[in-house]
Amino acid sequence: AQSVTQLDSHVSVSEGTPVLLRCNYSSSYSPSLFWYVQHPNKGLQLLLKYTSAATLVKGINGFEAEFKKSETSFHLTKPSAHMSDAAEYFCVVSAIGRFKTIFGAGTRLFVKA
Amino acid sequence: DAMVIQNPRYQVTQFGKPVTLSCSQTLNHNVMYWYQQKSSQAPKLLFHYYDKDFNNEADTPDNFQSRRPNTSFCFLDIRSPGLGDAAMYLCATSRDKGSGSYEQYFGPGTRLTVT
Repeated sequence: AQSVTQLDSHVSVSEGTPVLLRCNYSSSYSPSLFWYVQHPNKGLQLLLKYTSAATLVKGINGFEAEFKKSETSFHLTKPSAHMSDAAEYFCVVSAIGRFKTIFGAGTRLFVKA
Repeated sequence: DAMVIQNPRYQVTQFGKPVTLSCSQTLNHNVMYWYQQKSSQAPKLLFHYYDKDFNNEADTPDNFQSRRPNTSFCFLDIRSPGLGDAAMYLCATSRDKGSGSYEQYFGPGTRLTVT
């Protein structure tokens, strides 16, 4: 069975400060893990993905995430928040070789000027 | 640019009146998905096509149907929309490369309103 838990429904940061969005997963199979971002009334855009290669994954717009198997975590970070980062972020898990994707409930990121 | 296109972006239909949402892709991906996303919720997978093979999620209501006439196009049919079907409908594609890296590419969505 697979599941994903985003530990914070809302995160608020000031512009220029670091961002941390937390995600824990469980999977009976070797997981693929993804972070997507969704701006209001838009589709989802892939930020980055982990598929059993390097555990530190770099994505677009300065985001990165580290896969920690021992902690079953895949937290998303960015060194310095920008106003344009304000959006909803989804952590997603799927099992390698399968098409079933499980979305986390999402984390709304607010960026204050 | 290669992309996933959804038409229309906004659709208003009446209670009980059938409606069809359209998705097309220029990525030549073999897998296409339909999701329902209600306000402030995560997307919920309704079904997906692997090539021509249709895969329905167990909890997808019978009211929702889909067609994929060719690789590029996929349609979502709602036979008798209820007020509870008002949502954003997202189409996505992925390519089965055999590596298990099934990142999905999403369209902009169609916002469905039921009056």
